[in-house]
Amino acid sequence: GESVGLHLPTLSVQEGDNSIINCAYSNSASDYFIWYKQESGKGPQFIIDIRSNMDKRQGQRVTVLLNKTVKHLSLQIAATQPGDSAVYFCAENLLRDNYGQNFVFGPGTRLSVLP
Amino acid sequence: GAGVSQSPSNKVTEKGKDVELRCDPISGHTALYWYRQSLGQGLEFLIYFQGNSAPDKSGLPSDRFSAERTGGSVSTLTIQRTQQEDSAVYLCAGSWGNNEQFFGPGTRLTVL
Repeated sequence: GESVGLHLPTLSVQEGDNSIINCAYSNSASDYFIWYKQESGKGPQFIIDIRSNMDKRQGQRVTVLLNKTVKHLSLQIAATQPGDSAVYFCAENLLRDNYGQNFVFGPGTRLSVLP
Repeated sequence: GAGVSQSPSNKVTEKGKDVELRCDPISGHTALYWYRQSLGQGLEFLIYFQGNSAPDKSGLPSDRFSAERTGGSVSTLTIQRTQQEDSAVYLCAGSWGNNEQFFGPGTRLTVL
């Protein structure tokens, strides 16, 4: 079936450096993508989303890039802080109907911020 | 609170017993989702509700799993005759239409 995967299962970065987390998706019909952050013992938390008619979207310290040609999604975190340490999931969505979604989540990348 | 809540936060049960997990979405969430997350793994889709109906039950792993939603709000996920492989964190999420999903904190189920 369709799947979402991640190139790097673990990523360690120095505090203050920029982090890049990558994700490959396989369904060219996916039209909506979300990055989630999950801290230990908590549910996933929305970070940023992007629709397929865009190739870049910026938030506060985070940027998501979408390359539909190679079906690649990335999350960039600027000036990584200790509080950014978590598991990051990308998810692709096939629009199910007007009220629901068909999200497929990747296995996640663990980001560790080193002091 | 204003977020999605789930109860209990932790549940330890013996193999063969039934368990019921509860999800309270944010008021007005039209869609509600249940996922399962095993240790160190991603999210496995279980079931999706639109209002009180479940148009997609394809993710339920076996007929021991069932879910219902009443009043377009609270949902319960029931696992009958629990097995050790059912041990996982069960996450609930709600959304307004085609927008982001808001997740609850999850219920950690341990089957001994």
